[in-house]
Amino acid sequence: SAVISQKPSRDICQRGTSLTIQCQVDSQVTMMFWYRQQPGQSLTLIATANQGSEATYESGFVIDKFPISRPNLTFSTLTVSNMSPEDSSIYLCSGAGTSGSQYEQYFGPGTRLTVT
Amino acid sequence: QKEVEQDPGPLSVPEGAIVSLNCTYSNSAFQYFMWYRQYSRKGPELLMYTYSSGNKEDGRFTAQVDKSSKYISLFIRDSQPSDSATYLCAIPLSGNTPLVFGKGTRLSVIA
Repeated sequence: SAVISQKPSRDICQRGTSLTIQCQVDSQVTMMFWYRQQPGQSLTLIATANQGSEATYESGFVIDKFPISRPNLTFSTLTVSNMSPEDSSIYLCSGAGTSGSQYEQYFGPGTRLTVT
Repeated sequence: QKEVEQDPGPLSVPEGAIVSLNCTYSNSAFQYFMWYRQYSRKGPELLMYTYSSGNKEDGRFTAQVDKSSKYISLFIRDSQPSDSATYLCAIPLSGNTPLVFGKGTRLSVIA
């Protein structure tokens, strides 16, 4: 298994500003992903964070709005840029591909973002 | 049709009841079927997963897959108030790929 931490756990931000969320895994993982979850809703994939190359974004999400970095096998960041109230959500990172299983995917506790 | 369908509930049961949570999926190529539990204001926690058809048991929890009908189930025996959470079924397209999630079913176990 893998233990994933995120920082910050929550934040309240003003419209037009940017916030960078950090995701740290306690062991090397092959894949890291970023999801968004609206309160009471399921998870929607934002992008796959690729080590050493550009992230792969899902339809409806673009790099200019959600730039992602993954400098190594245990760390990734997601930036929410030029925020608007519609960006208020819970942002979750996950890791998959720990030693022994490529199907087990573990999640961080989430970052609760409120944009005013 | 969405790839994974799940009744969002909410579902409320008395303590000790047997709970049945279900999902259907559309892609017959899916092989792995995951169940996550998410407590309020927490990240999803991997509960258990199965490969192909059949059952898998872990304590009070049993995961079941029927590939012929594209139907997956999670059973909770002797449900406890601590089981109150949202349960999400999730399916990876293949190894090391993102998960496709159901909507999640909110379960309340009443003492």
